[in-house]
Order: sequence, then C-alpha cells, then structure tokens
Amino acid sequence: QVQLQESGPGLVKPSQTLSLTCTVSGGSISSNGYYWSWIRQHPGKGLEWIGYIYYTGSTYYNPSLKSRVTISVDMSKNQFSLKVRSVTAADTAIYFCEGTRWGNYETFDYWGQGTPVTVSS
Amino acid sequence: DIQMTQSPSSLSASVGDRVTITCRASQGISNYLAWYQQKPGKVPKLLIYAASTLQSGVPSRFSGSGSGTDFTLTISSLQPEDVASYYCQKYNSDSFTFGPGTRVDLK
Repeated sequence: QVQLQESGPGLVKPSQTLSLTCTVSGGSISSNGYYWSWIRQHPGKGLEWIGYIYYTGSTYYNPSLKSRVTISVDMSKNQFSLKVRSVTAADTAIYFCEGTRWGNYETFDYWGQGTPVTVSS
Repeated sequence: DIQMTQSPSSLSASVGDRVTITCRASQGISNYLAWYQQKPGKVPKLLIYAASTLQSGVPSRFSGSGSGTDFTLTISSLQPEDVASYYCQKYNSDSFTFGPGTRVDLK
C-alpha cells in the first residue's frame, strides 16, 4: 500500500521560504501516470490546489501561486517537495501531499496526513 | 483558467433524506470530475471519479452524474457518518481546481 508522509518546519517567518517534503513509501514516485500534488487548507476553509509534478517531470501550478511556488522531485529518495517563497500570514494552512493516477475504470489516490504550517515572526 | 462552483454552500438534512450537491465548471471538462469527502480533522477521501465512477470501497448510496459543465453528487439516503464537507475537483488538464465545498449537517 502506497503511503505518503509530509515533513518540514511547522513555523516559518514572514518573507522567508516555506519548504516541505513528501516521502512516498510502498511504491515508486516514477510510477507511470502518477500526479504528485500539493494541496493546502486554510483554517476552517476549503481545499486549495497548489500544483503538481507529473511522473514525467512536468509541472503545473495554481495561477494564483505560480510566481512563488516550485515543486520538484528527488527520485533517489522517492520524495517530492514544495517551496513557497516570500510567505505571509496568508500562507498559514495545513499542507497535504497527494499522489493520484486517474483512470476511467480504476483510480489510485493517496494522501499524506497533512502538516500544519504557521507563518509568524 | 476554468473556475469551479458548488451549490449549496451548506445544507442540513435528516437521516434517510436524499441529498444532492451541484458542481459547475466555467468551461466544459468532459467527465474529468472527482468528488471528495472530508470529515472534520481528517484527510479528504476520494468518492467518485470520471464524474460517475464509484471509488472502490465507497458505499453505493453515493452516486455521481454529469458531463461537460454540470455535475451532481447524490447521497440516496443520508447516514450520520456522511456529515462532512464535499468538494468537487476538475482534472481534465493542467489545473486541478477544487470547488469551494458543500458542508452537510444533520437536521
């Protein structure tokens, strides 16, 4: 069974860079057809899709965050990472990583448990 | 960029009621639409993908329909354990935008 685990600092100072890592176990991050995504949820609010890195290495980001976000993958560690630059209090949220392979007859969808990040001095 | 809307934003229903949630895309997305359930403090759970295909292990009281721009999630007989927020998500290309969510409570 594929499992995902987020890790990273729970507290980041304003204007600094938020860095999170998602470690994939029980499967390969290079598996065919998988999208490896980051999603966040502000306190008491809905889900916000941040972006993904496809198994081919291509990336796509939420246009509202694109200028500040980078998602990358480390195949050797079976991990993918998120960097959000120039953070403000508005980036305070629970951050989830997700791995999905969409299909018409079978879909695989795995989530990390989420990690809270607070932006504060 | 394609926007996703949902209605209602919240609803209260009794156990056994039929509940319907609507999701609308600002442009056609064929059937590239998923529904998630999120209970308080929990990780979202995939219920339906390809607009109408039930994810393995999901109770059959959940169903989805629609194509193009208009989609529906139906709970045929609401159960206490269905109290949650429900989100639609498009995944047809590039951006995997979520809808704003619908909170379902018991009356």
